[in-house]
Amino acid sequence: AQKITQTQPGMFVQEKEAVTLDCTYDTSDPSYGLFWYKQPSSGEMIFLIYQGSYDQQNATEGRYSLNFQKARKSANLVISASQLGDSAMYFCAMRVRSNDYKLSFGAGTTVTVRA
Amino acid sequence: SAVISQKPSRDICQRGTSLTIQCQVDSQVTMMFWYRQQPGQSLTLIATANQGSEATYESGFVIDKFPISRPNLTFSTLTVSNMSPEDSSIYLCSVGHPDSVYGYTFGSGTRLTVV
Repeated sequence: AQKITQTQPGMFVQEKEAVTLDCTYDTSDPSYGLFWYKQPSSGEMIFLIYQGSYDQQNATEGRYSLNFQKARKSANLVISASQLGDSAMYFCAMRVRSNDYKLSFGAGTTVTVRA
Repeated sequence: SAVISQKPSRDICQRGTSLTIQCQVDSQVTMMFWYRQQPGQSLTLIATANQGSEATYESGFVIDKFPISRPNLTFSTLTVSNMSPEDSSIYLCSVGHPDSVYGYTFGSGTRLTVV
């Protein structure tokens, strides 16, 4: 079985500052993928970043970077230079080949950016 | 990545009635999923919609309550049957691309309120 854990229910961050969202995972499958999604109040799910278990380098996408520590089974999302539009719920998710590539989601972290 | 059109975007329904949610994809996809997101919660997988055969349901979800159809590789419906207030949730469809770093695309969601 696979499990995704997000331990931060909510976070506040000042505009233009960086924020780190924690995510730990557990799986015995050596082949897996880790995702971060943003869900604003409108409800849509917006893909942010992806990290494969065999990727040697940490993924980056614009202001988003993923701090992937495989030995510790953590995949923290770093948002740099926060903007007011970053206020949303953020979900960490994982897919594994042995689970037919179905996505498992963490509980989510609500980020509120303050002006 | 694929573009998904999900309808309706929201609805208010009387208890005991049923609602059918549709998802139309702009390209053929093999993997299609249906999720439920209860208020303030994470996404929970209801089932995998299989083209031409019965859907595969996750633990806690049954076909009588959530019948799913998938007549072809671009379309699927989820019906929420005999609704109660506990069914008030956001329902999302998603398509998956196992070999893509983008992973999964989500529909815009259906906000269901049962009164």
